[in-house]
Amino acid sequence: GIQVEQSPPDLILQEGANSTLRCNFSDSVNNLQWFHQNPWGQLINLFYIPSGTKQNGRLSATTVATERYSLLYISSSQTTDSGVYFCAVVSGANSKLTFGKGITLSVRP
Amino acid sequence: DSGVTQTPKHLITATGQRVTLRCSPRSGDLSVYWYQQSLDQGLQFLIQYYNGEERAKGNILERFSAQQFPDLHSELNLSSLELGDSALYFCASSVFLDEEQFFGPGTRLTVL
Repeated sequence: GIQVEQSPPDLILQEGANSTLRCNFSDSVNNLQWFHQNPWGQLINLFYIPSGTKQNGRLSATTVATERYSLLYISSSQTTDSGVYFCAVVSGANSKLTFGKGITLSVRP
Repeated sequence: DSGVTQTPKHLITATGQRVTLRCSPRSGDLSVYWYQQSLDQGLQFLIQYYNGEERAKGNILERFSAQQFPDLHSELNLSSLELGDSALYFCASSVFLDEEQFFGPGTRLTVL
C-alpha cells in the first residue's frame, strides 16, 4: 500500500516563529488532508488539498501531486498551535485515509 | 465541532468483555469510517460503510464488527476484549466517496 512519511518528527518553536511541515507519499493520491490533533485528542481538519495551494489565516498548504509531496506552513506560531500534525492520503480504489506518523509541534511562550 | 458525534467519550472495561461504540455522521453524509489510534500502530483504518453497505475493510480483527443503520448512524462492536485493544477509536464521515472526511471526538477505550 501507499507509504506516507512526515518530517521532521518533532519540532520546537518559540512563539511567533514560522515553520514548514513536510509530507511525502509514495504513489498518486485522490485526496490529501492535513489534521491537527490537539492535546485533548481531537482531530481537527486543517486542509483538504489533493493538489494546489490553500490558505486559512496563519496556515497555508501546498500539494505538488506530480512530485508526491505536500507542505504545511505555519506562520507567527502560537502556543495553541501545539499538538500533533497529521498528513493523510487516499490512494487507489478505496476511500480509506492512510496516515503518516505525525509531527509533534511544541510552541514555547 | 465537526458535526460527527460519538458516544461514549470514555469506556473502561475488563478483558473478555464486549462493548459497542456509536457514531452519528454529519447531516447528509452517507459514508462512515472507523479508525483506531494506538501508541504502537498509529492511526489505522478499520472499516467503511456507505449508505448502509460495507464498502472497505482494513486491519480489522475478527473480534470486531460494525454496521450502519438505515438512519446512517453506525456502531462498532468489540468483543473478547484484550489489553491491546485499548486505544482511541474515531469515527469519520464524508458526503460521498473520496471526499473530505470529518472526524468525531473519539471514544477512548481502556481495557483492564
